[in-house]
Amino acid sequence: AQKVTQAQTEISVVEKEDVTLDCVYETRDTTYYLFWYKQPPSGELVFLIRRNSFDEQNEISGRYSWNFQKSTSSFNFTITASQVVDSAVYFCALSGFISGTYKYIFGTGTRLKVLA
Amino acid sequence: DADVTQTPRNRITKTGKRIMLECSQTKGHDRMYWYRQDPGLGLRLIYYSFDVKDINKGEISDGYSVSRQAQAKFSLSLESAIPNQTALYFCATSGALEAEQYFGPGTRLTVT
Repeated sequence: AQKVTQAQTEISVVEKEDVTLDCVYETRDTTYYLFWYKQPPSGELVFLIRRNSFDEQNEISGRYSWNFQKSTSSFNFTITASQVVDSAVYFCALSGFISGTYKYIFGTGTRLKVLA
Repeated sequence: DADVTQTPRNRITKTGKRIMLECSQTKGHDRMYWYRQDPGLGLRLIYYSFDVKDINKGEISDGYSVSRQAQAKFSLSLESAIPNQTALYFCATSGALEAEQYFGPGTRLTVT
């Protein structure tokens, strides 16, 4: 079965600290896609990044970086020098087909609080 | 203007009532989705549609139905609302299965 686990329910950091949000996934597919979304206090969901199962390159975008490791089925997200505006709930998601059925599975989210 | 709009944004209804949530998108995407979000459970897929003639059940479709009126419109109905359908509902769209999804602002539904 497909599953996404975000074990960290809530994290609090002080501004300018680095923070890593963990995401562990399970799937038997060889082709799948991983995503991170941000949900700020205003409630909308904002796409951050997508990775396919064949692309294990890490990615850096400004203060954000992502580490995808198939060997450990993890797709972790690091924010460097956190800012108060980073406070949000972050969701990791997995998509793909299982036995002909499309699945889009979200983790339960990690609430990040960045304190000034 | 927002790419994905949802109406209403907030709704309070009584048990047993029929209610429809509407979603429109201007991104020209074929694929549309309905999710519900509950505290501590993340988002769960209710229904998805890959084009106007293709509608599929998601993870938690019981108690819900959908209608894809056009490429740009995808409605979610609760035929007989019950209190445990109280949740935040999101509509989303994507240009391809492997692509990111674009979400509407959400509809907060309360069933009393």
